[in-house]
Amino acid sequence: AQKITQTQPGMFVQEKEAVTLDCTYDTSDPSYGLFWYKQPSSGEMIFLIYQGSYDQQNATEGRYSLNFQKARKSANLVISASQLGDSAMYFCAMRVLGDDKIIFGKGTRLHILP
Amino acid sequence: ETGVTQTPRHLVMGMTNKKSLKCEQHLGHNAMYWYKQSAKKPLELMFVYSLEERVENNSVPSRFSPECPNSSHLFLHLHTLQPEDSALYLCASSLNLAGGPYFGPGTRLTVL
Repeated sequence: AQKITQTQPGMFVQEKEAVTLDCTYDTSDPSYGLFWYKQPSSGEMIFLIYQGSYDQQNATEGRYSLNFQKARKSANLVISASQLGDSAMYFCAMRVLGDDKIIFGKGTRLHILP
Repeated sequence: ETGVTQTPRHLVMGMTNKKSLKCEQHLGHNAMYWYKQSAKKPLELMFVYSLEERVENNSVPSRFSPECPNSSHLFLHLHTLQPEDSALYLCASSLNLAGGPYFGPGTRLTVL
């Protein structure tokens, strides 16, 4: 069975520090994609970053990077130089190739402190 | 307009009302989704459409009825809802069934 686990329900981080949000996944399928989304209090889910299971390099998008460790089945999101506007819920998700379902974790609520 | 739009953004309805949620995507995507997000629960996939055909119905009660008239539009028709149906309903689209979804802003539904 496929599963996404986010073990940190909430985190408090000082502004300008780097943040790592944990995500582990479980699948027996070799072809899959991993996603991170940000959900501010407004409710909109904002796509942040994508990592394919066959990608050789870790994905990066601006201040976001994905620390992909395939053998450990982890896909942690790293936010560099955090900003107050980064305060939000963050969801890790996975899609197995050929499957119409996308599985989401329970999310991590990130609070950036001034 | 760009991206995925949803109307209305907020909806309050009684248990006997009939209402519809609308979603429109301007991304040229072929797959569209309805998700439900309740407090303290993971995102729940409700329906998946690919090229206007429903490919997934995730054991959703019949009081929720989806409609996909074309690849750009998706509706969720609501009828005789229960208070526990109060939630944020998110529409999403993806290029195909392999791609990651792009979400709309959601409709916050309250059932009285």
